[in-house]
Amino acid sequence: QLQLQESGPGLVKPSETLSLTCTVSGGSLSISIYHWGWIRQPPGKGLEWIGSMDYSGRAYDSPSLKSRVTISVDTSKSQFSLQLSSVTAADTAVYYCARLDGTGFYGIDYWGQGTLVTVSS
Amino acid sequence: QAGLTQPPSVSKGLRQTATLTCTGNSNNVGNQGAAWLQQHQGHPPKLLSYRNNNRPSGISDRLSASRSGNTASLTITGLQPEDEADYYCLAWDSSLSAWVFGGGTKLTVL
Repeated sequence: QLQLQESGPGLVKPSETLSLTCTVSGGSLSISIYHWGWIRQPPGKGLEWIGSMDYSGRAYDSPSLKSRVTISVDTSKSQFSLQLSSVTAADTAVYYCARLDGTGFYGIDYWGQGTLVTVSS
Repeated sequence: QAGLTQPPSVSKGLRQTATLTCTGNSNNVGNQGAAWLQQHQGHPPKLLSYRNNNRPSGISDRLSASRSGNTASLTITGLQPEDEADYYCLAWDSSLSAWVFGGGTKLTVL
């Protein structure tokens, strides 16, 4: 059974960079039909796709966050990471890592439990 | 980014049928179809259906999904208390090369 687990600081100061890591167990990151990505959910609000990447390093980023997002995949460690720069209070959210379908047809089938990141001084 | 449109809330009685809608455009729902996710408070979302009406294993057959043009629908029959949750639609937008979510519908079972 595939499992994903987010890790990283729960508190980030404004203007700094948010960094999270997702560790994947029970499966491989090197399957070409899947992408690995991040979704966030501000408190009391809906879901927002941040970006995703396939195992070869091809990235897809949200147009609204593109300039601030870096996603990387390390297949040797079964991990992928998110960096979001120049954060503000508006970036406070639960951040989920997830496995996404690379064809666009099959949705998002595995999710981490989510980690709350608060942006505050 | 352009999102998908869902009604904010739907309320139905126990054992009734609820139909949730999700409207996009020809670059997302109308092209790639939609997936549906269920989220209970404090939990991560769970995939209910993909490519319009395919259910992952373990998902109740009381749920069925469909698409007509640029609008996707999720129908839940025989509503139970555990169906009370937030429901999100999701589609790949081929013009944006981006995943887009609906704003979510809160389903209340009376």
